[in-house]
Amino acid sequence: QLQLQESGPGLVKPSETLSLICTVSGGSISSSRYYWGWIRQPPGKGLEWIGTIYYSGSTYYNPSLKSRVTISVDTSKNQFSLKLSSVTAADTAVYYCARHRSIVVVPAAPPDWFDPWGQGTLVTVSS
Amino acid sequence: DIQMTQSPSSLSTSIGDRVTITCRASQTISSYLNWYQQKPGKAPKLLIYAASSLQSGVPSRFSGSGSGTDFTLTISSLQPEDFATYYCQQSYITPRTFGQGTKLEIK
Repeated sequence: QLQLQESGPGLVKPSETLSLICTVSGGSISSSRYYWGWIRQPPGKGLEWIGTIYYSGSTYYNPSLKSRVTISVDTSKNQFSLKLSSVTAADTAVYYCARHRSIVVVPAAPPDWFDPWGQGTLVTVSS
Repeated sequence: DIQMTQSPSSLSTSIGDRVTITCRASQTISSYLNWYQQKPGKAPKLLIYAASSLQSGVPSRFSGSGSGTDFTLTISSLQPEDFATYYCQQSYITPRTFGQGTKLEIK
């Protein structure tokens, strides 16, 4: 059974870079059928898609965050990672990683739904 | 961006009730609509994809319908474990966007 697990610091100072890793187990991140995504949820609020990566390294980002986000993949470790620069208190959220997939992947577009999800990790931006 | 608006935002319901949650897109999204369930302190769980396809392992009391701009998630007979927050998500246009959520509460 595929499982995803987020890891990284729970506290980041304003203006610094948030860095998280998602470790995939029970399946290969190099599968040609799937993409891998990051989603966040501020406390008590809704969900926001951050971005998605394919094992080859191709990426899709939410335009609202694109200037600050980098998602990368390490197939040798079955991991993908998120970096968000110049963070502020507004970036405080639970960060989830998830498999991002479709029935049929359309070229030049991210997949459709997220399943399964990691348990999430709370990152607080505070000095 | 496509705005996804769910109604109601919250709903007080009872065990055994038939529940319908609505999701409206700000422009047509064909059938590119997915539904998730989130319980407190837990990650969202996929229930329905492509508007009406039931994800494997999800009870058959959950169903989805709709196309274009208007979609519904129906729970035919509410069970105790169904009290949660439900989110819709469109996958027609990038960025992928979610509704604000509908919280089911015990009456």
